[in-house]
Amino acid sequence: TQLLEQSPQFLSIQEGENLTVYCNSSSVFSSLQWYRQEPGEGPVLLVTVVTGGEVKKLKRLTFQFGDARKDSSLHITAAQPGDTGLYLCAGAADRGSTLGRLYFGRGTQLTVWP
Amino acid sequence: KAGVTQTPRYLIKTRGQQVTLSCSPISGHRSVSWYQQTPGQGLQFLFEYFSETQRNKGNFPGRFSGRQFSNSRSEMNVSTLELGDSALYLCASSLVSRPFNEQFFGPGTRLTVL
Repeated sequence: TQLLEQSPQFLSIQEGENLTVYCNSSSVFSSLQWYRQEPGEGPVLLVTVVTGGEVKKLKRLTFQFGDARKDSSLHITAAQPGDTGLYLCAGAADRGSTLGRLYFGRGTQLTVWP
Repeated sequence: KAGVTQTPRYLIKTRGQQVTLSCSPISGHRSVSWYQQTPGQGLQFLFEYFSETQRNKGNFPGRFSGRQFSNSRSEMNVSTLELGDSALYLCASSLVSRPFNEQFFGPGTRLTVL
């Protein structure tokens, strides 16, 4: 059972389009992180959100943490081919028995065509 | 500052053999986590070590084990390999375990079991 559900699983768009990726859970997280992974490499941390309702912007990427800290979204404006990759959300649960563990969604594979 | 390094990058083994993978965390990071990534299951948590102690363990059989040394370097071992163990094994290190638990990943070890 996946604690975090990501949608969509696949996204194929043209350069210049906008897109949103969703990460949902029934569990509360103390923080939520977004990673991007390219083939054959490890995930690279993009951002960490920690406060309910928080919005963070990283150039054309906008990350939002839900008010209840159960969900998050990633919005990309004017996508470029360089944005292609697997986008993963991961949550850290604020419970003593799960310290040091991240719960990952299955990822959204984004392909941006020139 | 050097990132997380993992060795070897690629490994081919046959069923029944055992394998040891190595991970060197970012300097100063004392927490090391291991994940298995497969196309079907995504990233699955194996275990996490902090100050040479295993603090968390995922739902994997006892064939999967690990340890951490006093310099924070970590190894994981898989005994009696099965075909289903073919995966990308990722190691991640973090500076502090809470509240944010930002983890930084290595490039992974691609294990193929024949």
